[in-house]
Amino acid sequence: DQQVKQNSPSLSVQEGRISILNCDYTNSMFDYFLWYKKYPAEGPTFLISISSIKDKNEDGRFTVFLNKSAKHLSLHIVPSQPGDSAVYFCAATDNYGQNFVFGPGTRLSVLP
Amino acid sequence: DTGVSQDPRHKITKRGQNVTFRCDPISEHNRLYWYRQTLGQGPEFLTYFQNEAQLEKSRLLSDRFSAERPKGSFSTLEIQRTEQGDSAMYLCASSLIGLANYNEQFFGPGTRLTVL
Repeated sequence: DQQVKQNSPSLSVQEGRISILNCDYTNSMFDYFLWYKKYPAEGPTFLISISSIKDKNEDGRFTVFLNKSAKHLSLHIVPSQPGDSAVYFCAATDNYGQNFVFGPGTRLSVLP
Repeated sequence: DTGVSQDPRHKITKRGQNVTFRCDPISEHNRLYWYRQTLGQGPEFLTYFQNEAQLEKSRLLSDRFSAERPKGSFSTLEIQRTEQGDSAMYLCASSLIGLANYNEQFFGPGTRLTVL
C-alpha cells in the first residue's frame, strides 16, 4: 500500500524547458511535503518543501505546488538544466517529523 | 561542515552472518533516522532517534535488526543472521529539532549491503 505515489518512473525534457514532476498521496494526516534529488552513489539531497498551510513555495528555479483537496503536489523546474538530471523523490510526513514516507522516485533526464 | 558520514560504504557478507553499520550525523543534529532503499524504490523508514532515545520503529524492522545511539551522537544498525532479502542500500539521515525547517533531513551516502 503505497501512501506516496510518483506514477512517472522517468521524464525527459529539453534544456531550457519546464520540468514538471508529480506526486500523489493517500494519507490525509500528512502535513508536510518535501522533494529530494538523488545523484548516483550519493544520498538524497533536500531540494524544497511545503507545509500543508500553503499551496505554493518557490526557491529559485524550483517551485512546489500543493493541492490538498486532490492530495497532489508537483515540482516545477524552470528552466531545466542538464545538471538537474537525477532521480527526484517526493516525501511526506505528519509534521512531527517522525515517520517520513517516500515515493518511488522519478528519473529526470534533461537533454542538452 | 562534514555532513553525514556512513561506514562502511559497501559490505558483502554471507547469509547468516551478522553485520553492523555506523552513521555519524552532523554534529549538532539531535534527530537521526535509518532508512532502507531497494532498487527502483524510495527510501523506506526503519527507525529514528531523538538524542539517544529510539522513538519510532517501523514494522519493517524485524527482531533481527537493532539500532542504537548510545550517547546521542553516532548510531549503529546491526542486522543479525542476514538473509538475501536484506540486500539493500541502508541510508542514515539527521536533522535538528528546534529549527523552523526541522523536517529537512540531511542524508549520508549510504551503506550498500550485499548478502550472498
